[in-house]
Amino acid sequence: NAGVTQTPKFQVLKTGQSMTLQCAQDMNHEYMSWYRQDPGMGLRLIHYSVGAGITDQGEVPNGYNVSRSTTEDFPLRLLSAAPSQTSVYFCASSLGTLRSGELFFGEGSRLTVL
Amino acid sequence: KNQVEQSPQSLIILEGKNCTLQCNYTVSPFSNLRWYKQDTGRGPVSLTIMTFSENTKSNGRYTATLDADTKQSSLHITASQLSDSASYICVVSSYTGGFKTIFGAGTRLFVKA
Repeated sequence: NAGVTQTPKFQVLKTGQSMTLQCAQDMNHEYMSWYRQDPGMGLRLIHYSVGAGITDQGEVPNGYNVSRSTTEDFPLRLLSAAPSQTSVYFCASSLGTLRSGELFFGEGSRLTVL
Repeated sequence: KNQVEQSPQSLIILEGKNCTLQCNYTVSPFSNLRWYKQDTGRGPVSLTIMTFSENTKSNGRYTATLDADTKQSSLHITASQLSDSASYICVVSSYTGGFKTIFGAGTRLFVKA
């Protein structure tokens, strides 16, 4: 049982390049989300999904796109990378809509934009 | 403004000693509060979750307390081990038509031999 799997673990981009961070979970969770973690700050919600075909914006959505075509996968796309998007990105999933309380996180993807 | 403040920012203790981490929040309405442990280079892992009616929740050597009146929570670690070196994150959830989670910045704990 892998839980939440993120790829890649590390990535370096040049300003203006695009890329996709992959996230997959095998726990049949309806809720999936993307966060970014910056030094000295709490995790901030980028986008989330409450089920296949349903996505919504979080606290810091600008510059990112998501889609949810299956229950298992929730990729995060950076359309035109900027240095301000240098961060560690975490994908998380939960049973239901957080009412049960526990978020299961992936191992993170460290992105550097030059 | 919904906020979660954690203190101290970092803490160094000797192996075997106890410590207490603090979390103050201004999130309203309150739904639940969770503590997560994040090892360096890893994703956060849940330690405890408490709802409004719960005052104390234990998970092995970790004991979380909640005072919903003063909007404070603490995480007490007993007989610390080197493996307790990590960041501890307080997370408060609110429900206003949909769930919102607010993360604290975390307390970085270093346990020295």
